[in-house]
Amino acid sequence: GQQVMQIPQYQHVQEGEDFTTYCNSSTTLSNIQWYKQRPGGHPVFLIQLVKSGEVKKQKRLTFQFGEAKKNSSLHITATQTTDVGTYFCADHTGGFKTIFGAGTRLFVKA
Amino acid sequence: DAGVIQSPRHEVTEMGQEVTLRCKPISGHDYLFWYRQTMMRGLELLIYFNNNVPIDDSGMPEDRFSAKMPNASFSTLKIQPSEPRDSAVYFCASSPLGSSPLHFGNGTRLTVT
Repeated sequence: GQQVMQIPQYQHVQEGEDFTTYCNSSTTLSNIQWYKQRPGGHPVFLIQLVKSGEVKKQKRLTFQFGEAKKNSSLHITATQTTDVGTYFCADHTGGFKTIFGAGTRLFVKA
Repeated sequence: DAGVIQSPRHEVTEMGQEVTLRCKPISGHDYLFWYRQTMMRGLELLIYFNNNVPIDDSGMPEDRFSAKMPNASFSTLKIQPSEPRDSAVYFCASSPLGSSPLHFGNGTRLTVT
């Protein structure tokens, strides 16, 4: 079935450094969603990308959808300790099933 | 809006016992999803419902797992008999449309000893 591969699995950064996680698919995605899960919490929806080449920003977070709609990225500028958590991309292509990537766990050292 | 409500928050049980997890979706949301999260397998979709009808249960691991949605405001996920490998966090999520983002509950952390 449809699968999205997410890298890296873990990322340790110093507070103030940038962070990027990548999501890749072997097939074209109709749309992709991003979620954040704080330690001990539940996934919380961040954004949905639909259009080829789309770029959306939320404060220090920048989301991109590739031109071929086979990859996506989330970039955080100048990380803060509040950014700690696991970031998931999710494929929403297969009907109404949302399939999650493995996630990238972000650690931020103050 | 109270959000998706799951109970219990924590469940500890012995192998062989029956476990029932409960979920109340957000009012007006027509889609309900059950996910399981473990370190090894990540977030797995178990089953989802549309208007109380199970649409896709291909993620249900085996016959020991069953899910029901008797009405628009309540769903259960039952494991009988439970096994230690069922230990995980089980999330319920709902959405107003199939294409909409998911709203997750706080999850039930299940430990089977």
